[in-house]
Amino acid sequence: DIQMTQSPSSLSASVGDRVTITCRASQSISSNLNWYQQKPGKVPKLLIYAASSLQSGVPSRFSGSGSGTDFTLTISSLQPEDFATYYCQQSYSTPRTFGQGTKVEIK
Amino acid sequence: EVQLVESGGGLVQPGGSLRLSCAASGFTFSRYWIHWVRQAPGKGLEWVSHINSDGSGTTYADSVKGRVTISRDNAKNTLYLQLNSLRVEDTAVYYCARELSSAGNGPRMDSWGQGTLVTVSS
Repeated sequence: DIQMTQSPSSLSASVGDRVTITCRASQSISSNLNWYQQKPGKVPKLLIYAASSLQSGVPSRFSGSGSGTDFTLTISSLQPEDFATYYCQQSYSTPRTFGQGTKVEIK
Repeated sequence: EVQLVESGGGLVQPGGSLRLSCAASGFTFSRYWIHWVRQAPGKGLEWVSHINSDGSGTTYADSVKGRVTISRDNAKNTLYLQLNSLRVEDTAVYYCARELSSAGNGPRMDSWGQGTLVTVSS
């Protein structure tokens, strides 16, 4: 099975900050990497698919990059509604696996 | 509008069984892979199982293998998850999620249900 490791596990940031979250796969997954956002008590929401494609309706301040084993989610200017937990997930093979999550908190 | 609605969760004793359902609408259910993903209280997302579009292929997480069976009825637009020999650590919200694949782009879970809570406790 492919293991997904996110870093950091949590971070504190201020509104307007640039935030970067990293995800590493235990083997190459090409560009088969998705990012989800989950707010407390809510359903996960797809943000980025295929490593860098923005899901319809997602603000352009979110972007993704990477291929192979190393990937990044960037929020260019953090907004109040962005405080949430973010998960990466590989779709290269089954079982599909998620990272452990990165909680973005208000500084 | 794509909708996935889970049901069947509840309180069950260790060793017991439950069958979860996921009713789909707003899309051609029989064309899509569907996944079950769970989330224990205060924890992250854990992939549980998948079934391909015609039901001929399934996979399971090691944590549930041998205790869980995924199935689907494409005529009823419904997905199922049979949970047996339940353990306290199976306590979680269980989500069903549709997997979308498009030419040139990798698969992704683009639509999720609201989840159903399974609580395993004596």
